[in-house]
Amino acid sequence: DTAVSQTPKYLVTQMGNDKSIKCEQNLGHDTMYWYKQDSKKFLKIMFSYNNKELIINETVPNRFSPKSPDKAHLNLHINSLELGDSAVYFCASSQGAGFTDTQYFGPGTRLTVL
Amino acid sequence: AQSVTQLGSHVSVSEGALVLLRCNYSSSVPPYLFWYVQYPNQGLQLLLKYTSAATLVKGINGFEAEFKKSETSFHLTKPSAHMSDAAEYFCAVSDQNNFNKFYFGSGTKLNVKP
Repeated sequence: DTAVSQTPKYLVTQMGNDKSIKCEQNLGHDTMYWYKQDSKKFLKIMFSYNNKELIINETVPNRFSPKSPDKAHLNLHINSLELGDSAVYFCASSQGAGFTDTQYFGPGTRLTVL
Repeated sequence: AQSVTQLGSHVSVSEGALVLLRCNYSSSVPPYLFWYVQYPNQGLQLLLKYTSAATLVKGINGFEAEFKKSETSFHLTKPSAHMSDAAEYFCAVSDQNNFNKFYFGSGTKLNVKP
C-alpha cells in the first residue's frame, strides 16, 4: 500500500488554465503539507493543514488554494496557471503539527505549464 | 531566523569510499535537524533526525550525522559508499521555538563511481 499518494504524476497544461493535484495519505496522520520543488531542486513549503485546519500558509500567490475535505486528503487547486508554476509539487504528511515529526512524502507531481 | 547551507551541490565518491555531505545551520536557538534523501523521480525519505537528544545520530542505510553546536554543523557521513547511495540529499532545519518554520537546504547530489 502506498503511504502518501498523489495524482496525477505528470501534468502538462497551457498558461491560464486551472488545474488540481490530489493527495491522499493512509497513515492516519493528522498533518499534511504541500511543497514546491523548482528546477534547481530547491524545496519550499507552501501550506500545512492539521486536522483539516490551515496552520501554515507561506507567501504563495492566492491563485493556489489548498482544500482538505478530511484529514486524509489535501488537494491543491491552481488557478490561472503561469509559466513560473512549472515545478514538482510534493505532498507530505506527519503525525504531529510541528516539523519535529518525520514527514512522509508522496512521489511528486511534475507540472509543466506551456 | 533560520537557514541551512549545504556546501557542495555535487559530490562524487568511489564505491567503498567515505561519504561526507556537509550541512551548516544558523539559528538563534538549538534547532531540530534532519537529513532527507531523494532518489531519482521519487519523493523524499527521512534518513535521520536530531531533536536535542544524543548528538551522534544513526539513520537508515548506514548513514549517521553528528550535531556539533560549536561548529553549527550537522554533516552526514557513511563509512563506505554503495552504488545505491547515488541520490540527492537534503539537510533541513526546524526551530524548536517556532514549529511552523521549516527550511530545506539546496541539496547535494551524490554520485558514486564504480
